[in-house]
Amino acid sequence: GNSVTQMEGPVTLSEEAFLTINCTYTATGYPSLFWYVQYPGEGLQLLLKATKADDKGSNKGFEATYRKETTSFHLEKGSVQVSDSAVYFCALSDPANDYKLSFGAGTTVTVRA
Amino acid sequence: KAGVTQTPRYLIKTRGQQVTLSCSPISGHRSVSWYQQTPGQGLQFLFEYFSETQRNKGNFPGRFSGRQFSNSRSEMNVSTLELGDSALYLCASSGARTNEQFFGPGTRLTVL
Repeated sequence: GNSVTQMEGPVTLSEEAFLTINCTYTATGYPSLFWYVQYPGEGLQLLLKATKADDKGSNKGFEATYRKETTSFHLEKGSVQVSDSAVYFCALSDPANDYKLSFGAGTTVTVRA
Repeated sequence: KAGVTQTPRYLIKTRGQQVTLSCSPISGHRSVSWYQQTPGQGLQFLFEYFSETQRNKGNFPGRFSGRQFSNSRSEMNVSTLELGDSALYLCASSGARTNEQFFGPGTRLTVL
């Protein structure tokens, strides 16, 4: 079946530090990969996505590259801000599983001024 | 374009009661999925509706049910509430056969 494993948190960083959150996946088909972000008291927002191997998704300074050979989709940002404090979820959508979204456990990131 | 809306935002119920949550998808989206989010279990898929038909179902007991109307609005119902049903219930909509889902703000259900 499909599964997503992401780095456990919580992660605490200082402003302008480099952020990386590891994510690996298992899928039966050829999935699309996503990073969602959840700010306190809100629903999930799509941060970025990649639909095929070697695609790079990017948004708001965040990047992630779809690596089929390592089944990974690590999230990175070069210089974080306090406003990046949130919970980040890695997810996959597999056409072989009728596009159902499978989520990782989430990583809580706190950025200190 | 308006986003996904969910009502109510907050609910408090007692054990044994039932509850109905509502979700209005983005205009033009025909697929609506429901998820339960808890600190212990994370995000778990409940079910998906497309064109008024349940297309997928997660591993939840029959107390959890849903439906979709002809305007694509969806409701989920939980009967005989248990303390463990306390959670954030998220709804997401997507266009036909796309893999990108757009989430609403959620309904926070507390069961006392």
